[in-house]
Amino acid sequence: DIQMTQSPTSLAASVGESVTITCLASEDIYGSLVWYQQKPGKSPQLLIYGATILEDGIPSRFSGSGSDTQYSLKINSLQPEDFASYYCQNGLSTPYTFGAGTKLELK
Amino acid sequence: EVQLVESGGGLVQPGRSMKLSCAASGFTFNNYDMAWVCQAPKKGLEWVATISYDGSSTYYRDSVKGRFTISRDNAKSTLYLQMDSLRSEDTATYYCARLRVMPTYYFDYWGQGVMVTVSS
Repeated sequence: DIQMTQSPTSLAASVGESVTITCLASEDIYGSLVWYQQKPGKSPQLLIYGATILEDGIPSRFSGSGSDTQYSLKINSLQPEDFASYYCQNGLSTPYTFGAGTKLELK
Repeated sequence: EVQLVESGGGLVQPGRSMKLSCAASGFTFNNYDMAWVCQAPKKGLEWVATISYDGSSTYYRDSVKGRFTISRDNAKSTLYLQMDSLRSEDTATYYCARLRVMPTYYFDYWGQGVMVTVSS
């Protein structure tokens, strides 16, 4: 199985700041990386797929990058609604493994 | 508007069975692969199972193989998850999700989730 390692586990930031979350795959996933946002008590929401493709309706302050085994999610100019948990997902093959998540908290 | 509405969760004893349903609307159900993803309390997300658009192919995570069965009724636009021989470690919120396959495999719509608690 492909293991997905996210870092950091938690992150504190202020409104207006920029943050980056990273995801490391245990093997090359050829750009097949997906990012989700999840707010407490809610279901996950798709942000980015194919490592860099922004889902329709997602603000442009979210961006994804990376290749091979290393990927990143960057959020520019944090807004109050961005404080949530973020998960990466292996989109190459089953089992579709997820990272353990990054909790983004308000500083 | 795409909607996925799960039902059928609750409290069940270890070793017993439970069947989850997911009613889909707002899209042509029989054109899409579907999946179940779970999340144990305060934990991360885990893919459980996937079924192809026509039901001809199914895939499972190792820990549920032989115990869980994913199925669908395209005439009713409904996805199912039959869970047998339930264990305490199956306790989780189960989400129904629509699976996209190009250019990568990803879940673009999720239901609100249904809680399954396995306990005596």
